[in-house]
Formats: sequence, structure tokens, C-alpha cells
Amino acid sequence: GAVVSQHPSWVICKSGTSVKIECRSLDFQATTMFWYRQFPKQSLMLMATSNEGSKATYEQGVEKDKFLINHASLTLSTLTVTSAHPEDSSFYICSARTGTNQETQYFGPGTRLLVL
Amino acid sequence: DAKTTQPPSMDCAEGRAANLPCNHSTISGNEYVYWYRQIHSQGPQYIIHGLKNNETNEMASLIITEDRKSSTLILPHATLRDTAVYYCIVRPSGSARQLTFGSGTQLTVLP
Repeated sequence: GAVVSQHPSWVICKSGTSVKIECRSLDFQATTMFWYRQFPKQSLMLMATSNEGSKATYEQGVEKDKFLINHASLTLSTLTVTSAHPEDSSFYICSARTGTNQETQYFGPGTRLLVL
Repeated sequence: DAKTTQPPSMDCAEGRAANLPCNHSTISGNEYVYWYRQIHSQGPQYIIHGLKNNETNEMASLIITEDRKSSTLILPHATLRDTAVYYCIVRPSGSARQLTFGSGTQLTVLP
């Protein structure tokens, strides 16, 4: 089946620093990738949608200058949390879709971010 | 996308079938029913999806009622590793939109 990987699986950083999370589709080309965020005991909330080669579309309330998304190739998308603060501590999950005719979304294992 | 309603939690004995219900009474004719699950501290895992016919794969079976207003995910022989939050999601065919997650059902498989 389609496999999506994320790196790192967890990261601890100091407040004010930036953190980059990578999302890769390992055995398929992903024209569309999604970034979700999940706080403890809550469901997944979509942050943004990115299509390869174009700017990401952010959900309402998500700061695009704080959460930088790059989808430079069909197998890689990155999320950079800039000037991270403790309230950005969360579980970040990426998802990729295989194509317009195969609509199943596959999810990465997630990245747990802790900002001190 | 059509809204779904799931019970917040369910228990199931190990080795028995787990039947997880989902109501989607406002589903449209072109909307698929998807099931995902999320084991604690992991990303969601795709299980199965269907439009109107019952579907079966190596993980589970999906039973959709004739009027398509509800469905049931069946794990035929639940194991402890099936303990997870199960999400029922509906989405139109051909939609470019993302999956939207509700609160799901916490299934606990008991030894």
C-alpha cells in the first residue's frame, strides 16, 4: 500500500526557534498533500493543503507566515514552524493523496513537537 | 460534506466481532463512506471505503444500508491491537477536498 513517512518523529526545541518537518510519499507521487494538527484528546484539524509547485492553501485561523509549507516535488512536502512558542506544541500529521482518480488519503506517522 | 454521527466509545471482547456504527443521514448520492482508525500517538490508518455496495478487505468489512443513511464497520475478530479511535467520514467522489475528521469512536478491545 501507499506509504507516507515523516521526519523527525519527535522534536523538542526552545521557544523562538524554527522547526522543519518533512513529509514524504515513499512509493507514489502525491499531487496533493495535507497538514493536520492534533492537540491532546482532540481530533485532527486541517491546517493547510498544498499542491505540488503551487502555494499552499491555509485554513482559517492558521497563520501562513508562521507555518511555512513547501511542496517542491511530487514526493516531498515540508512544514516549517517559525519562531515556535509553547502553544505550538502539538502532534503534526501530514497526509498525501495519490491522484485525482484515487481519492484515498494516506497519513504519515506524525511528528510530536514540544516547544519549551 | 455530509455530517456523521458515531458513538463516542465502545468495548469489545478480544476474538469477537467489533461492529462500529455510523449515521450519515444527509449523505448525497455521490458521497463515499470512508473509515480510518488512529491508534494512540500514531497517524490515521486507512481501513476501507465504499459507495453503496458492501465492501470487504483484509482488515474489515463495510456494510452500507440500502438507503445509505448509515453504515457499519465490522472487524471480524478483534485483537488488542485494534484498540483505537475509529473515524467514519463521508466525502464526494472526485472532490479535491481533504478528509474532515469528527470525534470518532474509541474502541477498546478487552482481553
